[in-house]
Amino acid sequence: DGGITQSPKYLFRKEGQNVTLSCEQNLNHDAMYWYRQDPGQGLRLIYYSQIVNDFQKGDIAEGYSVSREKKESFPLTVTSAQKNPTAFYLCATQPRAENYGYTFGSGTRLTVV
Amino acid sequence: KQEVTQIPAALSVPEGENLVLNCSFTDSAIYNLQWFRQDPGKGLTSLLLIQSSQREQTSGRLNASLDKSSGRSTLYIAASQPGDSATYLCAVMNTGGGSYIPTFGRGTSLIVHP
Repeated sequence: DGGITQSPKYLFRKEGQNVTLSCEQNLNHDAMYWYRQDPGQGLRLIYYSQIVNDFQKGDIAEGYSVSREKKESFPLTVTSAQKNPTAFYLCATQPRAENYGYTFGSGTRLTVV
Repeated sequence: KQEVTQIPAALSVPEGENLVLNCSFTDSAIYNLQWFRQDPGKGLTSLLLIQSSQREQTSGRLNASLDKSSGRSTLYIAASQPGDSATYLCAVMNTGGGSYIPTFGRGTSLIVHP
């Protein structure tokens, strides 16, 4: 089955810790994206990557970091510099063309304890 | 900068009703518009993708229309069922800039009660 796998489904972070959220895809899509979703707010773009070894900041990149060493993988690290990380995180992919839509993963819920 | 608005923000209807969800956008220079469904605690599931050259797309009981000149799209749900209860989001993909990043609306939360 082709798709996007986000893991873990639930993640708990202690104050001062870095945590990494995984996003893996076997759709052979070029572009990958990370969004944050908070209650009552829309989706906010954190980082995106349109080709391997290249990525760009989105609207709320502070306190986050990413890498894109392989086409299939786009992990997101939430660093201790992110002061309010509790949220639902969504990974999305897209073929590298403007006339294709997005495909989303099932999300990771991160909670600070 | 593109702005996407979805009205109403919430909707509660009895089973069997035909529904119209609205999505409006400020910049008509778009590649496409995509409708998604999101169940609580889940990711977004794509429902319909309308290219800028198209007027509508249909899938089962769902029909999405696009009027670029007026900056509007509607999602029509026929004969609604309790299983249709979810949040529905629209996303608009703008032309230009070389980055295919859509602008999302905040969604319409739909409850269909038996």
